[in-house]
Amino acid sequence: DIQLTQSPSSLSASVGDRVTITCRASLGIRHSLAWYQQKPGKAPNLLVYDASKLQTGVPSRFSGSGSGTDYTLTISSLQPEDFAIYYCQQYYNIPGTFGQGTRVEIK
Amino acid sequence: EVQLLESGGGLVQPGGSLRLSCAASGFTFRSYAMTWVRQAPGKGLEWVAVVSSNGGGRYYADSVKGRFTISRDNSKDMMYLQMDSLRTEDTAVYFCAKDVVAAPYYFDFWGQGTLVAVSS
Repeated sequence: DIQLTQSPSSLSASVGDRVTITCRASLGIRHSLAWYQQKPGKAPNLLVYDASKLQTGVPSRFSGSGSGTDYTLTISSLQPEDFAIYYCQQYYNIPGTFGQGTRVEIK
Repeated sequence: EVQLLESGGGLVQPGGSLRLSCAASGFTFRSYAMTWVRQAPGKGLEWVAVVSSNGGGRYYADSVKGRFTISRDNSKDMMYLQMDSLRTEDTAVYFCAKDVVAAPYYFDFWGQGTLVAVSS
């Protein structure tokens, strides 16, 4: 199975900050990576797919990048509604493994 | 509007069985793969099993292989997860998720989840 390692596991940031979350795969996944946001008690919500394509309706402050084994989710200006847990998921191979999550908290 | 509604969760003793259901609406169900993802209390997301659009392809996480069976009924727009030989470590919220294509991929819609608690 492909392992995904997210960093950091958690971070504290202020409204307006630029936030970057990294996801490293145990082997190359050729841009087959999605990012999800999950708020407490809710189902995950798709933000980015194919490593860099923004899902319809997702604010443009979110962006994804990367290639090979290393991928990044960036929030350009953190908003109050962005405080949540973020997960990456690879779909290059079955099973479609998830990273362990990154909690974004209010500083 | 796409809707996914899970049901069938509850409290079960170790070694017992449960059958989860996922009722889909708002899209052409038979055209998309469907996946179960679970989340243990306070933990991250774990991919559990996927069934292809026509039901011919079924894949499982190693942690549930041989104990869980995924299936679907395209005439009823329903997906199922038969869970046997349940263990305490299977305790989680189980989400059904719609893949974006007919084969296993990523997920554009999720249900709200159903809680399975395995305890004596």
